[in-house]
Amino acid sequence: EAGVTQFPSHSVIEKGQTVTLRCDPISGHDNLYWYRRVMGKEIKFLLHFVKESKQDESGMPNNRFLAERTGGTYSTLKVQPAELEDSGVYFCASSHWKTGSTGELFFGEGSRLTVL
Amino acid sequence: AQSVTQPDIHITVSEGASLELRCNYSYGATPYLFWYVQSPGQGLQLLLKYFSGDTLVQGIKGFEAEFKRSQSSFNLRKPSVHWSDAAEYFCAVDDYKLSFGAGTTVTVRA
Repeated sequence: EAGVTQFPSHSVIEKGQTVTLRCDPISGHDNLYWYRRVMGKEIKFLLHFVKESKQDESGMPNNRFLAERTGGTYSTLKVQPAELEDSGVYFCASSHWKTGSTGELFFGEGSRLTVL
Repeated sequence: AQSVTQPDIHITVSEGASLELRCNYSYGATPYLFWYVQSPGQGLQLLLKYFSGDTLVQGIKGFEAEFKRSQSSFNLRKPSVHWSDAAEYFCAVDDYKLSFGAGTTVTVRA
């Protein structure tokens, strides 16, 4: 069974440009999460999808970030326009738990974003 | 709001020695607690979890953790460390979304 895959593994862009990160969760997992780790800081929650619906987007930093989940399958996270402080590693995770606790999350390897 | 503190940023341990990583949480109710590990070039992997019941939890790779409500702690232990345990370890508390500690990097010396 394939794990959570993320693309690209590393992206280097100029300030003001746009970047789109993609996450393919484990097949059958309704829950999809995005997290971010800025250098030297904690891993922070960004948002949570249940199928194609945004369950919780309280962690999204600002309106330069747009997340979508097409048909409840893969998800994209777009940053437009990118700023220097957006640099970090963006993790995607998925789980099959229906209610209550997060349960066990399966994480991808992360997409490292560097904004110059 | 719930939070997790990992007091140790970096720990160096000799191969074969024991390891203990500290984690303190702040949460009003009974917490759901997790330890994750990130090895170089890998995603985060769940080591173990505590939901309720027995306060000593066994995980993968020979790790265990003990939940102590009186101390608000959930420390991770391994009796004998292998070189492959060199990684970054994260404690996390769940409140419908995981809140992570800052992580502890473990270096294993031969």
